[in-house]
Amino acid sequence: DAGVTQSPTHLIKTRGQHVTLRCSPISGHKSVSWYQQVLGQGPQFIFQYYEKEERGRGNFPDRFSARQFPNYSSELNVNALLLGDSALYLCASSLVLGQGAYEQYFGPGTRLTVT
Amino acid sequence: KNQVEQSPQSLIILEGKNCTLQCNYTVSPFSNLRWYKQDTGRGPVSLTIMTFSENTKSNGRYTATLDADTKQSSLHITASQLSDSASYICVVSWGGGADGLTFGKGTHLIIQP
Repeated sequence: DAGVTQSPTHLIKTRGQHVTLRCSPISGHKSVSWYQQVLGQGPQFIFQYYEKEERGRGNFPDRFSARQFPNYSSELNVNALLLGDSALYLCASSLVLGQGAYEQYFGPGTRLTVT
Repeated sequence: KNQVEQSPQSLIILEGKNCTLQCNYTVSPFSNLRWYKQDTGRGPVSLTIMTFSENTKSNGRYTATLDADTKQSSLHITASQLSDSASYICVVSWGGGADGLTFGKGTHLIIQP
């Protein structure tokens, strides 16, 4: 079975542009979460979607938005890119929303560079 | 404020040696603690998940311990291999969804031949 997949692998954008990152969860997983990981830091939570509804939002500006599709895949959109948005963007999927020691599986990430 | 502190920040050891990584947390309430291994430029991979009632958990050469009273955890790596070179991230959960996970900054481990 395929794990969590993300596309693209790498991306270079210019300040002010818009970017869309994509994630496909493990088959049967209904929850998708997005994280931003700046070099040398741990991942920072951005969004969680479960059954196509937003179930959690981290401390990120409104320039960040996301959605989950009927097939449970997800998109993360970032508008008006800033240099500080350069990071590894991770997607994670899980079977359930949470409430305990549920396993969360991470994708390989999308490396975004803003110049 | 929920926090997870990891030490050391970085560590270099020779292949075949053992090492122990530390994690202290102030997350409350506590549901579970996870250790992840993250290769450079890749997504984290789960090593162990421990709940409040578990003191130790092993995954091959990796053994995690948890002291919920002192709010400390350790990850012990036995007979290190070159492939163990990675960042090891401690994550503590209060039991909610993904927004309930607090990540440490990780320990960067380098195994030298």
